[in-house]
Amino acid sequence: GDSVTQMEGPVTLSEEAFLTINCTYTATGYPSLFWYVQYPGEGLQLLLKATKADDKGSNKGFEATYRKETTSFHLEKGSVQVSDSAVYFCALSLYSGGGADGLTFGKGTHLIIQP
Amino acid sequence: EAQVTQNPRYLITVTGKKLTVTCSQNMNHEYMSWYRQDPGLGLRQIYYSMNVEVTDKGDVPEGYKVSRKEKRNFPLILESPSPNQTSLYFCASRRGTANYGYTFGSGTRLTVV
Repeated sequence: GDSVTQMEGPVTLSEEAFLTINCTYTATGYPSLFWYVQYPGEGLQLLLKATKADDKGSNKGFEATYRKETTSFHLEKGSVQVSDSAVYFCALSLYSGGGADGLTFGKGTHLIIQP
Repeated sequence: EAQVTQNPRYLITVTGKKLTVTCSQNMNHEYMSWYRQDPGLGLRQIYYSMNVEVTDKGDVPEGYKVSRKEKRNFPLILESPSPNQTSLYFCASRRGTANYGYTFGSGTRLTVV
């Protein structure tokens, strides 16, 4: 079946450090890929997405590129802030033309940014 | 404000006592879904609904029921809760396909003792 694998952490960085959170996927077709973020005590929010190979999603300084050849969608940010501390979920969705296309999530990566 | 509202936020109950977690969205979304979040397992889909009176099982439906009598509401029903249903539950909705992104509620933390 479809699956998403991501580093679980916690990942601890200092403020202004460079961030990479790895995400790889297995899917039977050509999925859309997403990063969702969950701040403490809140629900998930869509951070960015990419719907086809070589697309780059970006938002709030975060970027991720859909790499079909390596089945990856790694999340990057050049300079993290304390306010970026959260749990980050990589997810995929496969549209099956009339069937359900729910999200398949990775287990989440807990990111801690220290001042 | 566009939002998904879940109630209650926290609930402690005893084994076997029926409960309902409500979910309501004000965005006129066709698709609604319930997920549970457990440490080390991430989020797993329980049930989803593609429109009024159309519901289907997700990955972990055992022990849960849902209904979709109105477009805005999608309650999650636990007829006889058990301790293994202790979890953090999220309701989510979206318009169109998943490419549009989901709007999630703030979560319901359920403890079954």
